[in-house]
Amino acid sequence: AQKVTQAQTEISVVEKEDVTLDCVYETRDTTYYLFWYKQPPSGELVFLIRRNSFDEQNEISGRYSWNFQKSTSSFNFTITASQVVDSAVYFCALSPYYGGSQGNLIFGKGTKLSVKP
Amino acid sequence: DAGVTQSPTHLIKTRGQHVTLRCSPISGHKSVSWYQQVLGQGPQFIFQYYEKEERGRGNFPDRFSARQFPNYSSELNVNALLLGDSALYLCASSLGGASGNEQYFGPGTRLTVT
Repeated sequence: AQKVTQAQTEISVVEKEDVTLDCVYETRDTTYYLFWYKQPPSGELVFLIRRNSFDEQNEISGRYSWNFQKSTSSFNFTITASQVVDSAVYFCALSPYYGGSQGNLIFGKGTKLSVKP
Repeated sequence: DAGVTQSPTHLIKTRGQHVTLRCSPISGHKSVSWYQQVLGQGPQFIFQYYEKEERGRGNFPDRFSARQFPNYSSELNVNALLLGDSALYLCASSLGGASGNEQYFGPGTRLTVT
């Protein structure tokens, strides 16, 4: 079975603190995609990153960084110097890879991040 | 370019009624997926369509159906509404095909069943 676990339900930090959101996934597939999405209070899911299972390189984009470790089935997300605008629910998701095309997204339950001024 | 659009934004229905939700994908995108997000949970996959054909179906009852039109827009239909169908319904579009592309989500339709 495929599953995504985000053990942290809610995290509260003060502005400028660094924060890491954990994501652990389960799959028997050897090829798959991992994603992070942000859902602000408006409700729209905002795509942040996609990573395929062949690429374990960490990625940095501005204040955001992602750590993919296949050995521990984890795909963690770190926000450096958090800002109030980072307050949102963050979802980690897994997608199978069928015959060259991406399948449906399997989401975790999300982590609600509150950044206080 | 416009993003994924969904209509209506909000909807209130009574148990037993049916509802039709609409989605227009990003221009050039040929794949549309539907997700249900119950309050406090992550989105759950309902359907995926590519080039007007169903490519995947989640674990939802037959009361849920969908279709994709020649212009790649899509409709999600839910019959015999139950209180438990109250949720945010999200549509996502992607290029689809063999390249494996990220899905971009619309703002959703919030359905309340009373």
